[in-house]
Amino acid sequence: AQSVSQHNHHVILSEAASLELGCNYSYGGTVNLFWYVQYPGQHLQLLLKYFSGDPLVKGIKGFEAEFIKSKFSFNLRKPSVQWSDTAEYFCALSKKSSGDKLTFGTGTRLAVRP
Amino acid sequence: GAVVSQHPSRVICKSGTSVKIECRSLDFQATTMFWYRQFPKQSLMLMATSNEGSKATYEQGVEKDKFLINHASLTLSTLTVTSAHPEDSSFYICSARDTRGDGYEQYFGPGTRLTVT
Repeated sequence: AQSVSQHNHHVILSEAASLELGCNYSYGGTVNLFWYVQYPGQHLQLLLKYFSGDPLVKGIKGFEAEFIKSKFSFNLRKPSVQWSDTAEYFCALSKKSSGDKLTFGTGTRLAVRP
Repeated sequence: GAVVSQHPSRVICKSGTSVKIECRSLDFQATTMFWYRQFPKQSLMLMATSNEGSKATYEQGVEKDKFLINHASLTLSTLTVTSAHPEDSSFYICSARDTRGDGYEQYFGPGTRLTVT
């Protein structure tokens, strides 16, 4: 069965610091990859997604992620975080063979200090 | 963007009773909706895929007779937790698949916190 690992459970950064959140997955077939964000008290929102093509994906709010197939990774990056980026971030995958069923990682809670 | 609502946002019920949670896509039609469960400090676990006009598909280990899913229209799916017990207390989240555009994106509802006493 497929799985998604997010090794950073809690990250604390100061404003303007650079961010990189790790995401690794386990599955031998072709996948779609996603990063979702959940701001405090709000529902999950899609940050970015990778289906195919350019492995460097740009999303909303200055976030980007790079799909490295050889490393089974899809790390999320942002060059300069803001206080408003404080949220929980979830990496997820779906198998191209089984439609849209998502498998989520355990999430990374990011706190940005002003 | 597409909006998905859930009702109620919070519910407290007594052990042995049943609770119905609604998931609605407000500005698009969704032939497929998904139900997830989230335990504290854990990830979302897919419970079932709800298909309009047909039976839901349950994930391994999810009791279909306990978690009844009905997708009666293109904008509404319901999850009924039957004979609820304290171990059913959790945060239940639905998502709806928007097939417009190219991404077949899922839009998530705000979740329903169920507490069984």
